Amino acid sequence: AQSVTQLGSHVSVSEGALVLLRCNYSSSVPPYLFWYVQYPNQGLQLLLKYTTGATLVKGINGFEAEFKKSETSFHLTKPSAHMSDAAEYFCAVSDHSGGGADGLTFGKGTHLIIQP
Amino acid sequence: GAGVSQTPSNKVTEKGKYVELRCDPISGHTALYWYRQSLGQGPEFLIYFQGTGAADDSGLPNDRFFAVRPEGSVSTLKIQRTERGDSAVYLCASSSTKNNEQFFGPGTRLTVL
Repeated sequence: AQSVTQLGSHVSVSEGALVLLRCNYSSSVPPYLFWYVQYPNQGLQLLLKYTTGATLVKGINGFEAEFKKSETSFHLTKPSAHMSDAAEYFCAVSDHSGGGADGLTFGKGTHLIIQP
Repeated sequence: GAGVSQTPSNKVTEKGKYVELRCDPISGHTALYWYRQSLGQGPEFLIYFQGTGAADDSGLPNDRFFAVRPEGSVSTLKIQRTERGDSAVYLCASSSTKNNEQFFGPGTRLTVL
């Protein structure tokens, strides 16, 4: 079984400050890891993903995340927050036991608030 | 190209009624997924299809829930004898399976009165 823990249901940062959203996972096999963003009244949009290879992955809108196997973490960062980053962020894990396709296990989400 | 579409966007029904929710995946995507998202929670996996067959239905909460994908494209999630606890946003996603990158639709908000 796999699980995802997102520390902090709400995170507030000032515009221009560093964004750090935490994600820890448990998986019995090397996982695929994902970050999704959900804007109000919109569907989930993929920010970035880790499957294999380079552990630092870059995504859209200036976000990046680093896979740290020893810490079972996949934290999401952005150097400088923008007002448009205010949204709900979800970390997800897949054990890809289905040969590359299987259901994702999501964390409960972190609501990112940007203070002007 | 067109993304994943879901209809209806909103569905209000009464306890005990039957509902059907439809998902149109991205053309060419062989894998299709259903999730349920309750208020303040992350999406919860229900079922996924590879082609026409259900490859994993371990997330379906009980036998009131059923899903089909008869021609390997459009899928319908069916809920019998709805209960107030079924109220949630039902999300559909599709992928080409190469790296499990799933593309989500806007969801159907189901309200059971």
